[in-house]
Amino acid sequence: EDKVVQSPLSLVVHEGDTVTLNCSYEVTNFRSLLWYKQEKKAPTFLFMLTSSGIEKKSGRLSSILDKKELFSILNITATQTGDSAIYLCAVISNDYKLSFGAGTTVTVRA
Amino acid sequence: EPEVTQTPSHQVTQMGQEVILRCVPISNHLYFYWYRQILGQKVEFLVSFYNNEISEKSEIFDDQFSVERPDGSNFTLKIRSTKLEDSAMYFCASSVLLSYNEQFFGPGTRLTVL
Repeated sequence: EDKVVQSPLSLVVHEGDTVTLNCSYEVTNFRSLLWYKQEKKAPTFLFMLTSSGIEKKSGRLSSILDKKELFSILNITATQTGDSAIYLCAVISNDYKLSFGAGTTVTVRA
Repeated sequence: EPEVTQTPSHQVTQMGQEVILRCVPISNHLYFYWYRQILGQKVEFLVSFYNNEISEKSEIFDDQFSVERPDGSNFTLKIRSTKLEDSAMYFCASSVLLSYNEQFFGPGTRLTVL
């Protein structure tokens, strides 16, 4: 069974801090890994990672994939209260199913 | 910006009743998906749909569930005889291509089965 494990489950930081979120996976026939941000309802897409070692960046967020060690990290620098959300990691396998991790709840205090 | 829409936002039903959840995917997208998220739990894949057929489905998607694209715009999830454990947030998603493109999620329908 495909497995996606995120850590930590939750964390609380202060504005301006940097956070690093981890996602490890055991997936048969891996294709891509995706990061989503879930605030009130639906997940919104952040990044899709397919190749190892290539950092994807969007503003204060960045992410990288290590296909040898089977993990990805999501970094958020200079955090703001608007970054408070659940961050979901998901993996697409060759059968095109998207398997989600349980998420990391990030709380940014002013 | 194009977006996936879902109706209703909240549906309350009695156990044993049939419900139909509706989704309008982004217009040029070809692949459609349903996911559910039971309160406090992870998002779970239910089914993917392409070219008027189910492409893939999970173990959760049993005979009680069905999907349909009744016209050129809507994509529906039907639960024939709801159970208490079907209470969850149901998300529809769509993507242009199947695997290497991001899936865009709708806002979700909260289903409450009493």
